[in-house]
Amino acid sequence: DADVTQTPRNRITKTGKRIMLECSQTKGHDRMYWYRQDPGLGLRLIYYSFDVKDINKGEISDGYSVSRQAQAKFSLSLESAIPNQTALYFCATSASSGEQYFGPGTRLTVT
Amino acid sequence: SQQGEEDPQALSIQEGENATMNCSYKTSINNLQWYRQNSGRGLVHLILIRSNEREKHSGRLRVTLDTSKKSSSLLITASRAADTASYFCATVLGTYKYIFGTGTRLKVLA
Repeated sequence: DADVTQTPRNRITKTGKRIMLECSQTKGHDRMYWYRQDPGLGLRLIYYSFDVKDINKGEISDGYSVSRQAQAKFSLSLESAIPNQTALYFCATSASSGEQYFGPGTRLTVT
Repeated sequence: SQQGEEDPQALSIQEGENATMNCSYKTSINNLQWYRQNSGRGLVHLILIRSNEREKHSGRLRVTLDTSKKSSSLLITASRAADTASYFCATVLGTYKYIFGTGTRLKVLA
């Protein structure tokens, strides 16, 4: 089984809808991250969490919120989706040694 | 603004040839990492080099780091068709801030 899983893998939603992307990990890592990837822009950090009680905004947090339900679970919400949030979303964990482990991604389309 | 910028943006080579891609960055770093991404999939960690290291090897991969020039290079030797992917450098500032470049798209022709 994959160490970092994301659901759903693909989602099409309409402008104004609320949507939640979920991430689970079996790596036992405390640190978890949410990124979005747009063509030509690389990955940009949305939120990160060092443990259940520690959540921090990243570079592009506007329009997003997160919840760290447990060490293994970190979910990303779009309260009112807009078309420019169409992107590929990745969840990641990091080991104390520094390398990150990524989930397979969620392709989100907002129409 | 992007911290890491890869060069070239795209690279096409024949199987068996070496592939070199470069990463430049702007500020002091804790470490620098290289990742591979197959089309539409999650990134896979390849190698990490710390700011006090100059060169590191892992299998067919060789990474160099020049902190005076704020640059790094990734060399893939004896490339294979399976190496076709996008490669990203990530500079790590402090303990949490990973800043990814825009990537180099490598195509290895069989």
